[in-house]
Amino acid sequence: NAGVTQTPKFRILKIGQSMTLQCAQDMNHNYMYWYRQDPGMGLKLIYYSVGAGITDKGEVPNGYNVSRSTTEDFPLRLELAAPSQTSVYFCASSRTGQYTEAFFGQGTRLTVV
Amino acid sequence: GENVEQHPSTLSVQEGDSAVIKCTYSDSASNYFPWYKQELGKRPQLIIDIRSNVGEKKDQRIAVTLNKTAKHFSLHITETQPEDSAVYFCAASTNTGNQFYFGTGTSLTVIP
Repeated sequence: NAGVTQTPKFRILKIGQSMTLQCAQDMNHNYMYWYRQDPGMGLKLIYYSVGAGITDKGEVPNGYNVSRSTTEDFPLRLELAAPSQTSVYFCASSRTGQYTEAFFGQGTRLTVV
Repeated sequence: GENVEQHPSTLSVQEGDSAVIKCTYSDSASNYFPWYKQELGKRPQLIIDIRSNVGEKKDQRIAVTLNKTAKHFSLHITETQPEDSAVYFCAASTNTGNQFYFGTGTSLTVIP
């Protein structure tokens, strides 16, 4: 049982490049989330999904896109990377949306130069 | 949307002393309040949580209290140990449960 797996762990992008952060969970969780973590700012929700085929915006969705074609996978797409997207990105999943623990991946440290 | 504020941002205590971290929330519909611990370079992990129908919950050296009227909740760590050193995040979610709103984190240092 691997839990929530994110790839890559580190990445350096040039301004204007695009990339996809991968996230997979093997716990059969319906809910999945993408957060970004900036120093002193806590965790900000980018996008979330309550099940396959359903996604919705969080607090800071601009510059990102997601898809949820399967229960297991929830990739985050960055188009036209900007320095403001330099951050640590965490994917998380939970069994339901209420009263349940969110399990986090190990994070992806992204630097845009 | 919900706004969660967390204080203090940094906290240093001597080993064996207690540590208290406080959070406030704005949405009276929030009904679930988890606390996560993030060790340096690691992922956040749940350490304790409380639902809105409970005023206090304990798990060994950690406890969480909730005051719904004042819209604040607190994490209490007693008999602190060096391994308690980490960043702690509070969070809140509503009964629709689709989003967790996190505080800005408290960096706790336990001095041996």
